[in-house]
Amino acid sequence: AQKITQTQPGMFVQEKEAVTLDCTYDTSDQSYGLFWYKQPSSGEMIFLIYQGSYDEQNATEGRYSLNFQKARKSANLVISASQLGDSAMYFCAMTLTSGTYKYIFGTGTRLKVLA
Amino acid sequence: NAGVMQNPRHLVRRRGQEARLRCSPMKGHSHVYWYRQLPEEGLKFMVYLQKENIIDESGMPKERFSAEFPKEGPSILRIQQVVRGDSAAYFCASSPKGTGQVNEQFFGPGTRLTVL
Repeated sequence: AQKITQTQPGMFVQEKEAVTLDCTYDTSDQSYGLFWYKQPSSGEMIFLIYQGSYDEQNATEGRYSLNFQKARKSANLVISASQLGDSAMYFCAMTLTSGTYKYIFGTGTRLKVLA
Repeated sequence: NAGVMQNPRHLVRRRGQEARLRCSPMKGHSHVYWYRQLPEEGLKFMVYLQKENIIDESGMPKERFSAEFPKEGPSILRIQQVVRGDSAAYFCASSPKGTGQVNEQFFGPGTRLTVL
């Protein structure tokens, strides 16, 4: 069975600094996808970044990058130059590229950016 | 191209009543997923549907919960005889395909159900 673990319930970061949110995953499948979503206080799920298991390069999207270490089964999210608007819950998720493609989510990390 | 739409955004029910949550997928998407988020938790998969078919309902509680995705109209998640433990945010996501490479799902804004 697949599992996502986010061990940091809460994080603080100073505005303009970088922060890393941890995510480890567990699967015996070779083909899978990893996602990060942001959930602000308003509640919607905002897609941030995607990494495929066969992608050789780490994914980047603007200020977001995904530090993908396949052997360690980790997919950490790095947010550079933090902004006050980055304060939110962040969820790591995975899906297999076979079967029903449902997402498995972690328990989330609440990030607070300090002015 | 409108995103995934869910209504109502907020729903209040008394114990024992029925709750009907609606989800209109993005145009051209024929795959719908429902997830539930209990307070202070991550999202948990409930059910995966294609038009007129339930593909995977392994995350659905065995009783009181049902889902459908008719040929015409939105997908419906129905909760009968609601209890306080059903209070949660229910998210719908749609996808254009169910096979192949990355299955990016597009999430709706969620329906927040409160059971009094």
